[in-house]
Amino acid sequence: DTGVSQDPRHKITKRGQNVTFRCDPISEHNRLYWYRQTLGQGPEFLTYFQNEAQLEKSRLLSDRFSAERPKGSFSTLEIQRTEQGDSAMYLCASSPAGEYGYTFGSGTRLTVV
Amino acid sequence: RKEVEQDPGPFNVPEGATVAFNCTYSNSASQSFFWYRQDCRKEPKLLMSVYSSGNEDGRFTAQLNRASQYISLLIRDSKLSDSATYLCVVKGNTGKLIFGQGTTLQVKP
Repeated sequence: DTGVSQDPRHKITKRGQNVTFRCDPISEHNRLYWYRQTLGQGPEFLTYFQNEAQLEKSRLLSDRFSAERPKGSFSTLEIQRTEQGDSAMYLCASSPAGEYGYTFGSGTRLTVV
Repeated sequence: RKEVEQDPGPFNVPEGATVAFNCTYSNSASQSFFWYRQDCRKEPKLLMSVYSSGNEDGRFTAQLNRASQYISLLIRDSKLSDSATYLCVVKGNTGKLIFGQGTTLQVKP
């Protein structure tokens, strides 16, 4: 499979628990992005990496959120002390550098109960 | 004000109709423009890039007006399979994509 893969596809967690999501981008893509999407809205930018460097973080990314891409390949997004408002689809995308669109993974749907 | 604004619809049209979606963006430094399609509970997928000269891909035509900061998508001869949400997207000089809210299209038999 040469697309962007995300794991898990679905996650149900209790409020206050920590969760971690993984994204494996297309191997030749050096840019990796995380977005969050809630019902009826377009995807909202969270953060992005070029290789292992985190180049931009949205104000949406509170202190409870952290993302890493330690070797410039896969990335993880961790949410600590989850809240019900964190329930959303978390999308990962990758792209080569330049004027291109992204390829998205299938997303991780998080439900906080 | 949102950076990318779209009419959320829904647009309900019969098969065979022509439908147009519009979008405006606020950042004049935006460099690249796209339309993405998103099916229910699926990830967004690139439909087409948008160029100043206008571009066409089969039944789909995209236009960009940089002076007015306006992007459009025209779908001719609508098919049932065109039913989806269409996301207007701009890429700024920082490299990230900014998405509009999306416009929902429902094509009916």
